[in-house]
Formats: sequence, C-alpha cells, structure tokens
Amino acid sequence: DAGVIQSPRHEVTEMGQEVTLRCKPISGHNSLFWYRQTMMRGLELLIYFNNNVPIDDSGMPEDRFSAKMPNASFSTLKIQPSEPRDSAVYFCASSSREYGYEQYFGPGTRLTVT
Amino acid sequence: AQKVTQAQTEISVVEKEDVTLDCVYETRDTTYYLFWYKQPPSGELVFLIRRNSFDEQNEISGRYSWNFQKSTSSFNFTITASQVVDSAVYFCALSEGGTSGSRLTFGEGTQLTVNP
Repeated sequence: DAGVIQSPRHEVTEMGQEVTLRCKPISGHNSLFWYRQTMMRGLELLIYFNNNVPIDDSGMPEDRFSAKMPNASFSTLKIQPSEPRDSAVYFCASSSREYGYEQYFGPGTRLTVT
Repeated sequence: AQKVTQAQTEISVVEKEDVTLDCVYETRDTTYYLFWYKQPPSGELVFLIRRNSFDEQNEISGRYSWNFQKSTSSFNFTITASQVVDSAVYFCALSEGGTSGSRLTFGEGTQLTVNP
C-alpha cells in the first residue's frame, strides 16, 4: 500500500488567500484525522471522521477552517482566509479497527503563510 | 480529560548507550490505548507500538522495549545499544475509548540525540 498520501507537500501563500490541503487515506481505513504541528502547541487534533462523517471538530481553531470527506478515499482541509499564525505542518492520518487502531500518518504538508 | 506528559524534553547519549524515554498519562477511562511514534529529522511520524489498557505485558522488538505499568500510569520506552539513526523526536500518545475512531492525545515529545 502507498500509505497515506498528502498534497501538496509544501505550500507558501500570502495572508488572505485560500488554502486547500488534500489527503488520501490508506485503502480500507475508515477513520481519518487531521492534525497540526507547531513548535508552540505541539501536535494537536483538528478534526476526525469515521466512515466519512465528522465526529469531533472541537480542535478546529475557528470558522476559517473547514474539512470535508466526500468519500472514503479523499478528504480536504481548507483555510479561508489564511493568516500567518496558520503556518504549521498539517498531518493527515488514517486508521481502522480491522487493522489494529493505530493511526498511520501521511508525510505532512508544510504551510507557510506570509 | 486525558493528558500525556513526557517530562524529558531533550536527551543526548553516546552511541551504544541504553536510553529510556519516560511517558506518564492521565485518563478516566478504563479502556484506552497507548502508542509511541518516532519523528525523524525528515518529519514523518512513524508508528512504533500500540498497547491496550488490559495488556500490561512488556514488549521487546529488537533493540526497542516498552514497560507499561498501570499502577504508575506510565508507558516507558527503552532503546538498547542506541545508534545514530535513533536520533529523532519520540512521541507518546493516548487514545481513549478503545475504538479506531478515537482521537490521539500526544505528549510534547522527547528529542533524542545519539552522538557517534
């Protein structure tokens, strides 16, 4: 399996622009997670889905952030409008009960907002 | 609320030394999972191990071993005969509820540097 796939790997954008991060989970996994990693806050969960349904979005910073999972093989995290404080590495992870609960992470998207 | 504490921010050792990374957790659930992940300089997060709350058996995998003690709410990770390639940030994490769709709460991580 190719593992969790994220795109783009790097994104540099100007404040106020819309940013869309993409994730393809491991085939057969039914849970998908979006995390953000910063030096100040460490690794924090933004939102997660079970069977394409958002379960907990309490970690989403504010209304500027939104996430969708239209089908079992694709999810997006959108920031609109972006701000410099959104600069971070965004990780997508997937897991499945059938495969032991552990979450497998994608390579991450390094976002820089100038 | 669940919490994971990794008190050691940075550890530096010389190659071939043994090193133990500490992890202490807090949870009100009786069913939970504990994890260790490795984040090398390249940035990806690599899964190392998962333990459930009902299995306190220690585990060994090559040079890696894990000591899970519910009495002290600890899940420590030992690397035997450390190597330069072990240099990375190591994260301990906790998942409550015992389901695949449960959030991971991460500790702050321990930066391990293994010097030649």
